[in-house]
Amino acid sequence: GAGVSQSPSNKVTEKGKDVELRCDPISGHTALYWYRQSLGQGLEFLIYFQGNSAPDKSGLPSDRFSAERTGGSVSTLTIQRTQQEDSAVYLCASSSGRPSREQYFGPGTRLTVT
Amino acid sequence: GNSVTQMEGPVTLSEEAFLTINCTYTATGYPSLFWYVQYPGEGLQLLLKATKADDKGSNKGFEATYRKETTSFHLEKGSVQVSDSAVYFCALNSGGGADGLTFGKGTHLIIQP
Repeated sequence: GAGVSQSPSNKVTEKGKDVELRCDPISGHTALYWYRQSLGQGLEFLIYFQGNSAPDKSGLPSDRFSAERTGGSVSTLTIQRTQQEDSAVYLCASSSGRPSREQYFGPGTRLTVT
Repeated sequence: GNSVTQMEGPVTLSEEAFLTINCTYTATGYPSLFWYVQYPGEGLQLLLKATKADDKGSNKGFEATYRKETTSFHLEKGSVQVSDSAVYFCALNSGGGADGLTFGKGTHLIIQP
């Protein structure tokens, strides 16, 4: 079956612009996660959704970052007023939830802020 | 908080050599442990997992045993191939439900023919 998909695969934007990154989880997966992968920081967990609800947003790097999920499916990660330090690969993963806790990752969106 | 420490590479081996990549962790409760692999130009893939103490995860000739007494989850393979060249990440999660993974920094493995 289809895996996790993300769009766009690459995004180049100017500093100060807003960007939206999209994630389509595996059908039927109730849990959805966002991570950031960068050379300096490795893999960082940002936020997760159980259904449409995000119980803990403390992993988001700053208040310029927000995320939403609608219909228990697609999620968007929005970065406002992008900065150069936001350049990274943004990964989305989904899971069927307990008990397996296995997360399946999408190919990522490579964001470059110039 | 949770943390994962793994040996940083690059680790360079000859084909058919024995592989060990060390991973130790700090976590509250009883975490589930994972190894993920990232092949060149590809996304993260789950390699194997273990959900309780003394469990052994295995896949594609790789193995790792959940050792609670030493808080370790070392990855091993008896005979590596050039196609095993990749970055390997040790990870855990310990939430009561679905929650974020805590990753190690990754080990770059290079297998030479």
